[in-house]
Amino acid sequence: AQSVTQPDIHITVSEGASLELRCNYSYGATPYLFWYVQSPGQGLQLLLKYFSGDTLVQGIKGFEAEFKRSQSSFNLRKPSVHWSDAAEYFCAVGLSGGYNKLIFGAGTRLAVHP
Amino acid sequence: KAGVTQTPRYLIKTRGQQVTLSCSPISGHRSVSWYQQTPGQGLQFLFEYFSETQRNKGNFPGRFSGRQFSNSRSEMNVSTLELGDSALYLCASSPSTGAGQPQHFGDGTRLSIL
Repeated sequence: AQSVTQPDIHITVSEGASLELRCNYSYGATPYLFWYVQSPGQGLQLLLKYFSGDTLVQGIKGFEAEFKRSQSSFNLRKPSVHWSDAAEYFCAVGLSGGYNKLIFGAGTRLAVHP
Repeated sequence: KAGVTQTPRYLIKTRGQQVTLSCSPISGHRSVSWYQQTPGQGLQFLFEYFSETQRNKGNFPGRFSGRQFSNSRSEMNVSTLELGDSALYLCASSPSTGAGQPQHFGDGTRLSIL
């Protein structure tokens, strides 16, 4: 069965420090992978997506993610975190088959210390 | 371009009642998906509508239903409400259906069951 694992429930970093959020997926076919961010009281905003091609994808707000097929991972990174990045981050896999359905990980809540 | 609009933002109901939530997709988007978000279960796919047809349905009881109108607006209905239905219900739209479609989320409707 398809699944997404985000091993870290909470992460705290200092402002200006680098960030890496981990995501592992289980899916038999070529995955469509997404990272979303959710601020309190709001919906999900798409940060970036991977379909094929270059395994390093750039997104909005200075985020990037690297797809590693051998490790079934799609980790999100940012070189320097800003206080406004504090939010919850969700990794998701889109299933093939001609319809929209996202399987989400449990999320990682990011806190940023000044 | 206006984003995905969900109404109402907040709802309080009692057990046994029924509720209808509304979602207006981004103009030109024809696919609408619904997700339930709870602290215990996370983000779970409810169903997707495309061209007024339900394309896919998640693992939820028949009390959860939806529909899509010719202008792509969608409603979801929950009958015989239970305490466990308390959640944030998120609607997402995309231009078409298919695994690679990036989904744009609304801010959700927070449903509380007393």
